[in-house]
Amino acid sequence: NAGVTQTPKFQVLKTGQSMTLQCAQDMNHNSMYWYRQDPGMGLRLIYYSASEGTTDKGEVPNGYNVSRLNKREFSLRLESAAPSQTSVYFCASSEDRGGTDTQYFGPGTRLTVL
Amino acid sequence: QKEVEQNSGPLSVPEGAIASLNCTYSDRVSQSFFWYRQYSGKSPELIMSIYSNGDKEDGRFTAQLNKASQYVSLLIRDSQPSDSATYLCAATGTASKLTFGTGTRLQVTL
Repeated sequence: NAGVTQTPKFQVLKTGQSMTLQCAQDMNHNSMYWYRQDPGMGLRLIYYSASEGTTDKGEVPNGYNVSRLNKREFSLRLESAAPSQTSVYFCASSEDRGGTDTQYFGPGTRLTVL
Repeated sequence: QKEVEQNSGPLSVPEGAIASLNCTYSDRVSQSFFWYRQYSGKSPELIMSIYSNGDKEDGRFTAQLNKASQYVSLLIRDSQPSDSATYLCAATGTASKLTFGTGTRLQVTL
């Protein structure tokens, strides 16, 4: 049982480049989330998916797109990276029983945009 | 105004002492509350969840919830150096999404 996995662990991009962060979970969870974590800002929700085929914006969605490929996988795409997107990105999943569920986090992707 | 507020610290306590971490929230509809621990360079991991007013104990950890005053706290008894980490408070809000505080850094000194 790997839990939540993320690839890559580290990435350096130049401004304007694009990339996709991958996330997968093997816990049969319905809900999946993408967060970014910046110093002094805490974890902020970018997008989430309550179930396969649905996605919704979180607190900071601008500059990102997501795809819920199937129940296991939820990807985050940066179409044209900007230095402001330098951050640590965490994917999480939960069973989703109406807000009482624990969210389990992946190991994170450390992204630097030059 | 941030929906979940925490003192950033660092909170420094000697080994063996009780560490008290506090959190306030602004959304009165919040029903579920969580404490996560995050070591430097690692991902958050759940320590405690609490849904009802009062205390909930799990080993050396006790979570306390007071919905009338809109605060949540985490007590760590017999603090150990391995407890040194950042503790994140989180509360559910609209659409069952979690809102996190910015975290309190705890340092347990020898």
